[in-house]
Amino acid sequence: DAKTTQPPSMDCAEGRAANLPCNHSTISGNEYVYWYRQIHSQGPQYIIHGLKNNETNEMASLIITEDRKSSTLILPHATLRDTAVYYCIVRVATSGTYKYIFGTGTRLKVLA
Amino acid sequence: GAVVSQHPSRVICKSGTSVKIECRSLDFQATTMFWYRQFPKQSLMLMATSNEGSKATYEQGVEKDKFLINHASLTLSTLTVTSAHPEDSSFYICSARDSATVHGYGYTFGSGTRLTVV
Repeated sequence: DAKTTQPPSMDCAEGRAANLPCNHSTISGNEYVYWYRQIHSQGPQYIIHGLKNNETNEMASLIITEDRKSSTLILPHATLRDTAVYYCIVRVATSGTYKYIFGTGTRLKVLA
Repeated sequence: GAVVSQHPSRVICKSGTSVKIECRSLDFQATTMFWYRQFPKQSLMLMATSNEGSKATYEQGVEKDKFLINHASLTLSTLTVTSAHPEDSSFYICSARDSATVHGYGYTFGSGTRLTVV
């Protein structure tokens, strides 16, 4: 089972910040939080990941709470092309490696 | 950055035939690749973990004799859907981990293969 829960859908006005929350209350101390997005009929695209500190890159910012039980992905100025399903993932250890188990994700719709 | 290529992007096959899907890591070596299936308006479901030089590990409920996985080299994994039926029609996606990256680095996904069985 996925180790994360997200709201099923959100709307955001174009040009405004999109804040996508994620709960991962069972995350272990050395596990990262990963964010991907999937635009219709494409493979998931990596956005950002973090361990305990807030992270920022050219696509987004990731805010992780101090207890690490939740995080928020921030798209600072959403555009219509940001309309996608956003997945928050915590890896699951298995047989010497880690696998991604996807939850339901959040369907973000950016409105003109 | 790391690139994973999937081929074909779309395939239509007749019921009862087999279809092979390729997943290649183009600029890195991947000892581990993953295969997912996605039905319309649903999330990705992990089918199996593909390990170079050894047998794949299948998730519960996935038929290993129906979905044959071969990972014969560090840059190529193949998924063969055997005796395909219309209910196997789906979007199949692979992902790979760069073996040279440090702990915590994200996985790269292919662009997916749309399989339609008629």
